[in-house]
Amino acid sequence: GAVVSQHPSWVICKSGTSVKIECRSLDFQATTMFWYRQFPKQSLMLMATSNEGSKATYEQGVEKDKFLINHASLTLSTLTVTSAHPEDSSFYICSARLAGGPGDTQYFGPGTRLTVL
Amino acid sequence: GNSVTQMEGPVTLSEEAFLTINCTYTATGYPSLFWYVQYPGEGLQLLLKATKADDKGSNKGFEATYRKETTSFHLEKGSVQVSDSAVYFCALGNFGNEKLTFGTGTRLTIIP
Repeated sequence: GAVVSQHPSWVICKSGTSVKIECRSLDFQATTMFWYRQFPKQSLMLMATSNEGSKATYEQGVEKDKFLINHASLTLSTLTVTSAHPEDSSFYICSARLAGGPGDTQYFGPGTRLTVL
Repeated sequence: GNSVTQMEGPVTLSEEAFLTINCTYTATGYPSLFWYVQYPGEGLQLLLKATKADDKGSNKGFEATYRKETTSFHLEKGSVQVSDSAVYFCALGNFGNEKLTFGTGTRLTIIP
């Protein structure tokens, strides 16, 4: 149980295009989902917290107009990287908190590797 | 603010060796502490956690004790297996604040 999927697992795009990454909780409902970015050999950096039906809360230094987050349902959150540039290349990971579960239990997706040419 | 300092890797051990991965933290209040594991090609999985001082989290032979006096949460296993090869992340979270703060991760490789 408590499986989180991400799609796509990897994507290559041209500079200036937009890329959408989906995060789904497959067997549970998630009121809160989180988006992280992971640089090579570095830790996970929290980008934003999204709650179903409301606007995402972005961490300091994260451009909300560049990284659009939509949490349209209890099982789906999307991250859209708009006008992507090579510096946006990274590994993006989502996690989901089980609704009604312990407040500190997050289940993680396998990640999406984005390469911007 | 919150921070987690984790033992740098990579760590390479022989099968059946004793494992320790050090983790220390800085936090306000009384955080919960976690160890997550990331196997190749997979997402992070919760390995164990402890929610208050002197608690011991344990799972799959791994243990970690929440030491408030030394602000530490070191991960240990008495006899590692090849299947334990993965990246291990120490993390903390404050009750009522769902954000997690992660360490940099430690890559562990176990050789037969």
